[in-house]
Amino acid sequence: AQSVTQLGSHVSVSEGALVLLRCNYSSSVPPYLFWYVQYPNQGLQLLLKYTSAATLVKGINGFEAEFKKSETSFHLTKPSAHMSDAAEYFCAVSNTGTASKLTFGTGTRLQVTL
Amino acid sequence: DADVTQTPRNRITKTGKRIMLECSQTKGHDRMYWYRQDPGLGLRLIYYSFDVKDINKGEISDGYSVSRQAQAKFSLSLESAIPNQTALYFCATSTGTGGTDTQYFGPGTRLTVL
Repeated sequence: AQSVTQLGSHVSVSEGALVLLRCNYSSSVPPYLFWYVQYPNQGLQLLLKYTSAATLVKGINGFEAEFKKSETSFHLTKPSAHMSDAAEYFCAVSNTGTASKLTFGTGTRLQVTL
Repeated sequence: DADVTQTPRNRITKTGKRIMLECSQTKGHDRMYWYRQDPGLGLRLIYYSFDVKDINKGEISDGYSVSRQAQAKFSLSLESAIPNQTALYFCATSTGTGGTDTQYFGPGTRLTVL
């Protein structure tokens, strides 16, 4: 079975500060890992994904994530938060055995303050 | 126009009523999914379909049924709605190339069961 754990259901940062959203995974086979973002009153959209090529993955809107097998982590970062980054962020895992079935974490709501 | 559309966007109904949520896509994808989102629980997979003749249960299919009328249409039914089915429901599609698939989400249907 595969799963992801997102530490912190709510994260608050000041505009311009570093954003760090944590995700740890559990998978019996090499995983594929995703970060999706949900803006208010919208569906989810893909930020970035790890597909076993490069361990440092760059996504849209200045976000990036690093796959660390030794730590079973895939944390999402952005050097400088913007007010428009306020949203809910979901980490998700799949693998070749699940043929594109995603298992989502419980989500982290990011608040950006002035 | 949106690639994945859901109707209705909001629905209030009463316990015991039959409800159908509809999803249409213009992306030409074979794979379609239904999820429900509850606060603090993330997204959970209800049903998924890899093509018109291939429909599979997800992790929380009890109380739900689906119909894949065409490649572009995937409907979710609640035969006899109950209050704990109050949630935000999302339809998604993907290309079907494997575990690295990006899923594309509709805007969601907010369902309230009184």
